[in-house]
Amino acid sequence: EVQLVESGGGLVQLGGSLRLSCAASGFSFSDYAFNWVRQAPGKGLEWVSYISSSSSTIYYADSVKGRFTISRDNAKNSLYLQMYSLRDEDTAVYYCARDDGYCSGGRCYPKGSYYYGMDVWGQGTTVTVSS
Amino acid sequence: EIVLTQSPGTLSLSPGERATLSCRASQSVSSSYLAWYQQKPGQAPKLLIHGASSRATGIPDRFSGSGSGTDFTLTISRLEPEDFAVYYCQQYGTSPRTFGQGTKVEIK
Repeated sequence: EVQLVESGGGLVQLGGSLRLSCAASGFSFSDYAFNWVRQAPGKGLEWVSYISSSSSTIYYADSVKGRFTISRDNAKNSLYLQMYSLRDEDTAVYYCARDDGYCSGGRCYPKGSYYYGMDVWGQGTTVTVSS
Repeated sequence: EIVLTQSPGTLSLSPGERATLSCRASQSVSSSYLAWYQQKPGQAPKLLIHGASSRATGIPDRFSGSGSGTDFTLTISRLEPEDFAVYYCQQYGTSPRTFGQGTKVEIK
C-alpha cells in the first residue's frame, strides 16, 4: 500500500524549533519529488516547500524562507522539514505530499505521460506554537 | 505568483443536485496543470482531478473538470451524501504552487 506517515509535531514555544518527518512506503521513494503543505486551524491549504527527487531543486514559500529547511534521505525513504524561529502563524497541520513531476527554473513538468501533481498525501502532523 | 480565486465560498445544495464550482487564475495556468482536491473534516486532501479534466484513480464519474487558461470548473453531476466537503483547486505548473481558498459544499 502506498503510504506517507508524518511525525514530529507537537507543542513548541514561540521562537523554538521542531523537526517534522515523513516516512514513505509502498513505492520507490527516490523516484518522486515531495512537498510540505500546511493548514492553519479553520483555514485553507498553504504550500510550504518542494524538494526534487535528487534534492537538487528546492523551493520555499516566502512565509517560511530562511526559517524552514526541507531535506530528504532516499536511503531511509524519509522526508524532513526542519523548522526554526517558529511563529504563531506557523501553527497548523503539516502534510507531506508526493509529487510526480519535476521543477526547474520555477516551472514544473511531468516526468512521464501524465502529471498528477500532488497525488498521495499523509494524514498530517499538528504543530502548535505557544507563547 | 499565480493567485487562484474560487467561487462561491459556500454552496448549499441537496443530495441529487448538480454542483458547479469555479476557479479563476490571475494568469494563465501552465499546460492546464490544475488540480482539484476534496477535503473532509479531520482528513487529508484527496486528489480528484488533475490536468484540469482527468479524474484521478478511483474517482467516480460524477466528478468532472473542465477549463483552460485562467478559468476552470469542477462539476459534480449528482451530489451524493459523501460529497459534502470542502473543495480546493491548485495549480502545479509553476512554483510557488498555489491553492484557491476553497469552496464548501454543504447540505441545504
